[in-house]
Amino acid sequence: GAGVSQSPRYKVTKRGQDVALRCDPISGHVSLYWYRQALGQGPEFLTYFNYEAQQDKSGLPNDRFSAERPEGSISTLTIQRTEQRDSAMYRCASSNSGGLDNEQFFGPGTRLTVL
Amino acid sequence: QKEVEQNSGPLSVPEGAIASLNCTYSDRGSQSFFWYRQYSGKSPELIMSIYSNGDKEDGRFTAQLNKASQYVSLLIRDSQPSDSATYLCAVKVYGQNFVFGPGTRLSVLP
Repeated sequence: GAGVSQSPRYKVTKRGQDVALRCDPISGHVSLYWYRQALGQGPEFLTYFNYEAQQDKSGLPNDRFSAERPEGSISTLTIQRTEQRDSAMYRCASSNSGGLDNEQFFGPGTRLTVL
Repeated sequence: QKEVEQNSGPLSVPEGAIASLNCTYSDRGSQSFFWYRQYSGKSPELIMSIYSNGDKEDGRFTAQLNKASQYVSLLIRDSQPSDSATYLCAVKVYGQNFVFGPGTRLSVLP
């Protein structure tokens, strides 16, 4: 595709429900990153993949959060038993390589609201 | 813990002036440095990347890197009201994740 896409763009859910956020990276991009961004703050790293391998998940807040990229393209970030504190903008980014020059490009984000 | 610090602003400059945005980082092993611009309600968009000490110019933008001082800056010449946005500094060590600063809000006054 022309750019990184994310779906849904907006998600409202009730506390305790599970949600799945999808990211479709730029075609051919090796690396895919998930971030969470609070208003007025920079993106906070959650996890990233090179191809299908999850390289670093140190930013995931707790074990309710998980991510996968089974075929090295589309990725899903899953939040189980959502809590109100999970409300945020979730952003995905992809980059062409894992090297030094791996400029990343962001998708439009998914705004998650947990009631 | 790796940290990237920026003055949150707002930084206000008159139209046509030079805007200077600064960023410091804690990890001496950092190798790649990026500046992103984020308009309100939008996603970050890449402006520049820099990997070596010195200056890198692209149009009205100049990135400056000083690894010894762990400092990277972005200069915007001939600032325009359309440059008003939050500017995010991001730092990366090879093989590791990106670390973003909190961003500096820039306001260019007509």
